[in-house]
Amino acid sequence: GENVEQHPSTLSVQEGDSAVIKCTYSDSASNYFPWYKQELGKRPQLIIDIRSNVGEKKDQRIAVTLNKTAKHFSLHITETQPEDSAVYFCAHTGANSKLTFGKGITLSVRP
Amino acid sequence: KAGVTQTPRYLIKTRGQQVTLSCSPISGHRSVSWYQQTPGQGLQFLFEYFSETQRNKGNFPGRFSGRQFSNSRSEMNVSTLELGDSALYLCASSLDTGGDTEAFFGQGTRLTVV
Repeated sequence: GENVEQHPSTLSVQEGDSAVIKCTYSDSASNYFPWYKQELGKRPQLIIDIRSNVGEKKDQRIAVTLNKTAKHFSLHITETQPEDSAVYFCAHTGANSKLTFGKGITLSVRP
Repeated sequence: KAGVTQTPRYLIKTRGQQVTLSCSPISGHRSVSWYQQTPGQGLQFLFEYFSETQRNKGNFPGRFSGRQFSNSRSEMNVSTLELGDSALYLCASSLDTGGDTEAFFGQGTRLTVV
């Protein structure tokens, strides 16, 4: 019930295009959905998060949408740049208050 | 404000040995969580400590243990090391427990078991 699945596992886009990364979860009690970015050799860092009482949140080129009925949430990056290349982790907090991460998606932005 | 500090950064150990990793959280943060990161497996949750109490535990064998001190610093211990324990071990601190506040990660300890 606490697992979170990420799709796809790798994604390659042309600079300037948009990228969408989707995660699905099964715990209906999940109430917090953060996204973390990990650049090569660096620590994961929070880039955006959303709570279950909100359907969408935007911060400049990054947005997150949440569909509680379908139990999925997505990260949207517009006007991608080479510095967006990294591993992106979705996560969620379920009824047990444990922050559980997905396996990560490697995003490559081609110049 | 100092970030999350993990020591040591790198460790090489032999099978069968034990190891202790340390994590100093951001000042004022009372929750410390530990994760194991391996290629293709993402960040696997080990355990979380809050106010010196283990609040959550992942699906790892009993060889993995941890503790938290009164100053919120945390240690993680792995006994009887196996080759498969080679990984990057990350700790993260947050203001509160409950898992719904931002987690700040340390740089990690790279453990290699030979």
